[in-house]
Amino acid sequence: KAGVTQTPRYLIKTRGQQVTLSCSPISGHRSVSWYQQTPGQGLQFLFEYFSETQRNKGNFPGRFSGRQFSNSRSEMNVSTLELGDSALYLCASSLVPSDEQFFGPGTRLTVL
Amino acid sequence: GENVEQHPSTLSVQEGDSAVIKCTYSDSASNYFPWYKQELGKRPQLIIDIRSNVGEKKDQRIAVTLNKTAKHFSLHITETQPEDSAVYFCAASLNTNAGKSTFGDGTTLTVKP
Repeated sequence: KAGVTQTPRYLIKTRGQQVTLSCSPISGHRSVSWYQQTPGQGLQFLFEYFSETQRNKGNFPGRFSGRQFSNSRSEMNVSTLELGDSALYLCASSLVPSDEQFFGPGTRLTVL
Repeated sequence: GENVEQHPSTLSVQEGDSAVIKCTYSDSASNYFPWYKQELGKRPQLIIDIRSNVGEKKDQRIAVTLNKTAKHFSLHITETQPEDSAVYFCAASLNTNAGKSTFGDGTTLTVKP
Protein backbone atom coordinates (compact mmCIF):
# COMPACT_ATOMS: atom_id res chain seq x y z
CA LYS A 1 0.00 0.00 0.00
CA ALA A 2 1.45 3.37 -0.98
CA GLY A 3 2.18 5.80 1.84
CA VAL A 4 1.08 9.38 2.28
CA THR A 5 2.42 11.58 -0.50
CA GLN A 6 2.86 15.33 -0.58
CA THR A 7 3.56 17.66 -3.46
CA PRO A 8 5.60 19.61 -4.08
CA ARG A 9 8.46 18.49 -1.84
CA TYR A 10 10.23 21.83 -1.98
CA LEU A 11 8.93 25.32 -2.67
CA ILE A 12 10.53 28.75 -2.69
CA LYS A 13 8.27 31.78 -2.63
CA THR A 14 8.63 35.48 -1.87
CA ARG A 15 6.78 37.50 0.72
CA GLY A 16 3.25 38.42 -0.26
CA GLN A 17 2.76 35.48 -2.61
CA GLN A 18 0.38 32.61 -1.97
CA VAL A 19 1.03 28.89 -2.05
CA THR A 20 -1.01 25.68 -2.32
CA LEU A 21 0.28 22.39 -0.91
CA SER A 22 -1.23 19.02 -1.69
CA CYS A 23 -1.55 15.82 0.32
CA SER A 24 -2.70 12.40 -0.90
CA PRO A 25 -3.56 10.08 1.98
CA ILE A 26 -3.09 6.34 2.13
CA SER A 27 -5.78 4.60 0.09
CA GLY A 28 -8.87 4.13 2.22
CA HIS A 29 -7.91 6.76 4.77
CA ARG A 30 -10.55 9.44 5.20
CA SER A 31 -8.94 11.63 7.84
CA VAL A 32 -6.18 14.12 7.02
CA SER A 33 -4.39 16.48 9.39
CA TRP A 34 -1.85 19.18 8.67
CA TYR A 35 1.02 20.28 10.90
CA GLN A 36 3.68 22.97 10.67
CA GLN A 37 7.16 21.98 11.84
CA THR A 38 9.76 24.63 12.64
CA PRO A 39 12.94 24.41 14.72
CA GLY A 40 11.65 26.98 17.19
CA GLN A 41 8.00 25.96 17.53
CA GLY A 42 8.15 22.23 16.98
CA LEU A 43 5.14 20.48 15.47
CA GLN A 44 2.00 22.61 15.56
CA PHE A 45 -1.46 21.49 14.53
CA LEU A 46 -3.03 23.39 11.63
CA PHE A 47 -6.24 21.61 10.61
CA GLU A 48 -7.99 18.28 10.60
CA TYR A 49 -10.38 17.06 7.91
CA PHE A 50 -12.65 14.05 7.79
CA SER A 51 -15.04 13.24 4.97
CA GLU A 52 -14.57 16.69 3.41
CA THR A 53 -15.41 18.51 6.66
CA GLN A 54 -12.99 20.51 8.74
CA ARG A 55 -13.27 19.10 12.25
CA ASN A 56 -10.69 21.19 13.99
CA LYS A 57 -8.46 24.18 13.35
CA GLY A 58 -5.33 25.19 15.22
CA ASN A 59 -4.24 28.64 16.32
CA PHE A 60 -3.10 30.01 13.00
CA PRO A 61 -4.21 33.21 11.25
CA GLY A 62 -6.90 33.20 8.60
CA ARG A 63 -4.19 33.31 5.91
CA PHE A 64 -3.96 29.55 6.43
CA SER A 65 -6.83 27.60 4.93
CA GLY A 66 -7.47 24.12 3.69
CA ARG A 67 -9.95 21.76 2.17
CA GLN A 68 -10.53 18.10 1.52
CA PHE A 69 -11.94 16.56 -1.63
CA SER A 70 -14.31 13.65 -2.07
CA ASN A 71 -11.36 11.32 -2.79
CA SER A 72 -9.87 12.36 0.60
CA ARG A 73 -7.01 14.28 -0.98
CA SER A 74 -6.39 17.53 0.84
CA GLU A 75 -4.89 20.89 0.03
CA MET A 76 -3.76 23.71 2.23
CA ASN A 77 -3.33 27.28 1.09
CA VAL A 78 -1.30 30.07 2.62
CA SER A 79 -1.96 33.56 1.32
CA THR A 80 0.14 36.70 1.72
CA LEU A 81 3.21 34.72 2.73
CA GLU A 82 5.44 36.02 5.52
CA LEU A 83 9.04 35.13 6.30
CA GLY A 84 7.84 33.29 9.42
CA ASP A 85 5.82 30.88 7.30
CA SER A 86 9.05 29.15 6.26
CA ALA A 87 8.67 25.65 7.63
CA LEU A 88 8.18 21.98 6.87
CA TYR A 89 4.47 21.33 6.33
CA LEU A 90 3.50 17.79 7.17
CA CYS A 91 0.25 16.06 6.53
CA ALA A 92 -0.86 12.88 8.22
CA SER A 93 -3.64 10.49 7.34
CA SER A 94 -5.63 7.91 9.26
CA LEU A 95 -8.56 5.63 8.56
CA VAL A 96 -10.79 7.60 10.88
CA PRO A 97 -9.99 10.43 13.34
CA SER A 98 -9.47 8.07 16.28
CA ASP A 99 -6.94 5.91 14.46
CA GLU A 100 -3.14 6.20 14.39
CA GLN A 101 -1.67 8.77 12.02
CA PHE A 102 0.77 8.15 9.19
CA PHE A 103 2.84 11.12 8.12
CA GLY A 104 3.84 12.21 4.66
CA PRO A 105 7.38 13.35 3.78
CA GLY A 106 6.43 17.01 4.07
CA THR A 107 6.71 20.06 1.87
CA ARG A 108 9.64 22.33 2.69
CA LEU A 109 8.47 25.92 2.13
CA THR A 110 11.01 28.72 2.07
CA VAL A 111 9.77 32.30 2.00
CA LEU A 112 12.30 34.90 0.87
CA GLY B 1 -6.06 23.97 25.18
CA GLU B 2 -3.70 21.08 25.68
CA ASN B 3 -0.06 21.75 26.56
CA VAL B 4 2.62 19.04 26.40
CA GLU B 5 6.05 19.42 27.96
CA GLN B 6 8.84 17.03 27.07
CA HIS B 7 12.16 16.41 28.84
CA PRO B 8 15.02 16.24 28.29
CA SER B 9 15.54 18.17 25.07
CA THR B 10 18.76 16.26 24.38
CA LEU B 11 19.90 12.88 25.62
CA SER B 12 23.16 11.11 24.98
CA VAL B 13 23.67 7.48 26.01
CA GLN B 14 26.19 4.74 25.40
CA GLU B 15 25.17 1.85 23.18
CA GLY B 16 23.47 -0.80 25.27
CA ASP B 17 22.28 1.62 27.93
CA SER B 18 18.64 2.55 28.51
CA ALA B 19 17.05 5.87 27.56
CA VAL B 20 14.02 7.47 29.20
CA ILE B 21 12.07 10.44 27.86
CA LYS B 22 9.28 12.01 29.89
CA CYS B 23 6.24 14.07 28.94
CA THR B 24 3.59 15.83 30.97
CA TYR B 25 0.26 17.07 29.67
CA SER B 26 -2.26 19.55 31.00
CA ASP B 27 -5.69 18.44 29.74
CA SER B 28 -7.09 15.63 31.85
CA ALA B 29 -9.48 14.78 28.98
CA SER B 30 -6.57 13.60 26.81
CA ASN B 31 -6.47 9.84 26.57
CA TYR B 32 -4.36 8.96 23.54
CA PHE B 33 -0.56 9.27 23.78
CA PRO B 34 1.58 8.35 20.76
CA TRP B 35 5.34 8.54 20.41
CA TYR B 36 7.02 9.34 17.10
CA LYS B 37 10.58 8.91 15.90
CA GLN B 38 11.90 11.33 13.32
CA GLU B 39 15.26 10.65 11.72
CA LEU B 40 17.11 13.50 10.10
CA GLY B 41 15.36 14.62 6.93
CA LYS B 42 12.60 12.04 7.27
CA ARG B 43 8.98 11.97 8.28
CA PRO B 44 7.82 11.27 11.84
CA GLN B 45 6.94 7.62 12.32
CA LEU B 46 4.77 6.18 15.05
CA ILE B 47 6.79 3.82 17.22
CA ILE B 48 4.34 3.09 20.03
CA ASP B 49 1.15 4.51 21.47
CA ILE B 50 -0.92 4.07 24.60
CA ARG B 51 -4.52 4.78 25.42
CA SER B 52 -5.71 5.67 28.86
CA ASN B 53 -7.28 2.32 29.63
CA VAL B 54 -3.82 0.80 30.09
CA GLY B 55 -0.86 1.87 32.24
CA GLU B 56 1.95 0.28 30.28
CA LYS B 57 2.58 -1.07 26.81
CA LYS B 58 5.67 -2.82 25.52
CA ASP B 59 6.97 -3.63 22.06
CA GLN B 60 10.34 -5.38 22.07
CA ARG B 61 12.91 -2.82 23.31
CA ILE B 62 10.40 0.00 23.57
CA ALA B 63 7.88 0.60 26.34
CA VAL B 64 5.57 3.42 27.29
CA THR B 65 4.12 4.03 30.75
CA LEU B 66 1.21 6.29 31.59
CA ASN B 67 0.21 7.85 34.89
CA LYS B 68 -3.19 9.48 34.38
CA THR B 69 -3.36 10.83 37.93
CA ALA B 70 -0.08 12.69 37.59
CA LYS B 71 -0.72 13.44 33.89
CA HIS B 72 2.58 12.16 32.66
CA PHE B 73 3.82 9.44 30.35
CA SER B 74 7.27 8.15 29.51
CA LEU B 75 9.11 6.37 26.72
CA HIS B 76 11.66 3.73 27.71
CA ILE B 77 14.16 2.32 25.23
CA THR B 78 16.33 -0.54 26.47
CA GLU B 79 19.55 -1.89 24.96
CA THR B 80 19.92 1.20 22.80
CA GLN B 81 21.59 0.92 19.40
CA PRO B 82 23.15 3.62 17.18
CA GLU B 83 20.15 3.37 14.84
CA ASP B 84 17.95 4.56 17.70
CA SER B 85 19.58 7.99 17.29
CA ALA B 86 16.82 10.38 16.19
CA VAL B 87 14.42 13.02 17.48
CA TYR B 88 11.57 11.58 19.52
CA PHE B 89 8.24 13.40 19.93
CA CYS B 90 5.49 12.66 22.38
CA ALA B 91 1.94 13.81 21.71
CA ALA B 92 -1.44 13.91 23.41
CA SER B 93 -4.99 14.03 22.12
CA LEU B 94 -8.49 12.83 22.74
CA ASN B 95 -9.00 9.15 21.97
CA THR B 96 -11.56 10.10 19.34
CA ASN B 97 -9.37 12.74 17.77
CA ALA B 98 -5.83 11.55 17.21
CA GLY B 99 -5.79 13.83 14.20
CA LYS B 100 -5.66 16.86 16.47
CA SER B 101 -2.53 16.07 18.43
CA THR B 102 -0.52 18.41 20.61
CA PHE B 103 3.17 17.60 20.40
CA GLY B 104 6.04 17.99 22.81
CA ASP B 105 9.10 19.89 21.61
CA GLY B 106 11.09 16.76 20.92
CA THR B 107 14.11 14.98 22.40
CA THR B 108 17.26 14.49 20.36
CA LEU B 109 18.63 11.08 21.33
CA THR B 110 22.22 10.24 20.45
CA VAL B 111 23.44 6.70 20.99
CA LYS B 112 27.23 6.51 20.99
CA PRO B 113 28.75 3.26 19.74
